[in-house]
Amino acid sequence: DQQVKQNSPSLSVQEGRISILNCDYTNSMFDYFLWYKKYPAEGPTFLISISSIKDKNEDGRFTVFLNKSAKHLSLHIVPSQPGDSAVYFCAASALDNAGNMLTFGGGTRLMVKP
Amino acid sequence: NAGVTQTPKFQVLKTGQSMTLQCAQDMNHNSMYWYRQDPGMGLRLIYYSASEGTTDKGEVPNGYNVSRLNKREFSLRLESAAPSQTSVYFCASRTYRVAEKLFFGSGTQLSVL
Repeated sequence: DQQVKQNSPSLSVQEGRISILNCDYTNSMFDYFLWYKKYPAEGPTFLISISSIKDKNEDGRFTVFLNKSAKHLSLHIVPSQPGDSAVYFCAASALDNAGNMLTFGGGTRLMVKP
Repeated sequence: NAGVTQTPKFQVLKTGQSMTLQCAQDMNHNSMYWYRQDPGMGLRLIYYSASEGTTDKGEVPNGYNVSRLNKREFSLRLESAAPSQTSVYFCASRTYRVAEKLFFGSGTQLSVL
């Protein structure tokens, strides 16, 4: 039973438009959430994170929103660029477990068309 | 600065063969991890080492063993490879007591025939 789910395996958007990637979780103990980006033949790289005491965190074109009551988070990319085409993983953990268990979703492949 | 280095990048094994995946990090990180990535399954934790001298099972440890050789190196061994172990393997590391930011290697693509 996956505790972190990304229900959309793929997403296609036009360059310049907004990309919205969604993630749901079931474990109410999760209190820290991250997004990773992965290009082919490379390892995932950290993109942005949010702790449960916040409902929004912004870094340039990337914003993560957290809705704790719905156990849902989303990543917004505005404006989308062709270089954003990659697989995006959301991940979650409970800060009191010393960070040893970071649970990942299945990933969403984003394609940004020029 | 190399970060996290994994070898080999590609490997093909026959069922029953053994091999060791190597991982080294040069960031002086305390904790190291081995994940496998399968389509639609995300990244699943195989084993981790919270600090030098300790190792623990993750979500999918069956069929694997690990060795934390020193602070820099963390190897993953398949004693008798099975087709179900066909996957992409990622090593990762992080400092202790820092929010959950992992640094990943570039991966090893393993096929077991």
